[in-house]
Amino acid sequence: QQQVKQSPQSLIVQKGGISIINCAYENTAFDYFPWYQQFPGKGPALLIAIRPDVSEKKEGRFTISFNKSAKQFSLHIMDSQPGDSATYFCAASRTDSNYQLIWGAGTKLIIKP
Amino acid sequence: DGGITQSPKYLFRKEGQNVTLSCEQNLNHDAMYWYRQDPGQGLRLIYYSQIVNDFQKGDIAEGYSVSREKKESFPLTVTSAQKNPTAFYLCASSIGTRGRSGELFFGEGSRLTVL
Repeated sequence: QQQVKQSPQSLIVQKGGISIINCAYENTAFDYFPWYQQFPGKGPALLIAIRPDVSEKKEGRFTISFNKSAKQFSLHIMDSQPGDSATYFCAASRTDSNYQLIWGAGTKLIIKP
Repeated sequence: DGGITQSPKYLFRKEGQNVTLSCEQNLNHDAMYWYRQDPGQGLRLIYYSQIVNDFQKGDIAEGYSVSREKKESFPLTVTSAQKNPTAFYLCASSIGTRGRSGELFFGEGSRLTVL
């Protein structure tokens, strides 16, 4: 089964530091890689996304780096703030299954003041 | 305000009972989805629908059923055949399915506990 492996499972970062979450995929039948952010008791919300023909995308403090040859992509949160504390999910869109998303297991991020 | 409304937020069920979770959207989105979320796991797709009166099984459809009689509504029934139904259920919708048009808008979820 196609999988997206996400690490670490949990992460604690000091305020102002850089948070880095990594994902790796096993199959090339993916054409879109979104990251979702979920606060407790809420549904996830799209944070940022990238296509495989782009190596990096930046939106404010959030950056996705994409390495197609290594089948890896990562989320970097610069100047991390306590309000960034949430669970982050990477995902990949399957071209062979109506573009449905397959999800990583999630990373619980805590930013310490 | 446009969005996804799920109800109930919390639900308790006895073993052997069917239960239906409601999902309504006023975003005029064509596609709707049901996901299951368990601790330490990513979201897993139960069913999705790209158009009224049509739906497809996701990765874990066994023990669940859905209907899509109206564009705005996509209820999920958790049947007694579902072996481990205790979970957090998320409904979502999207304009389309590919790329940015596939951006999922989620409801706040329904937490089902089987006693």
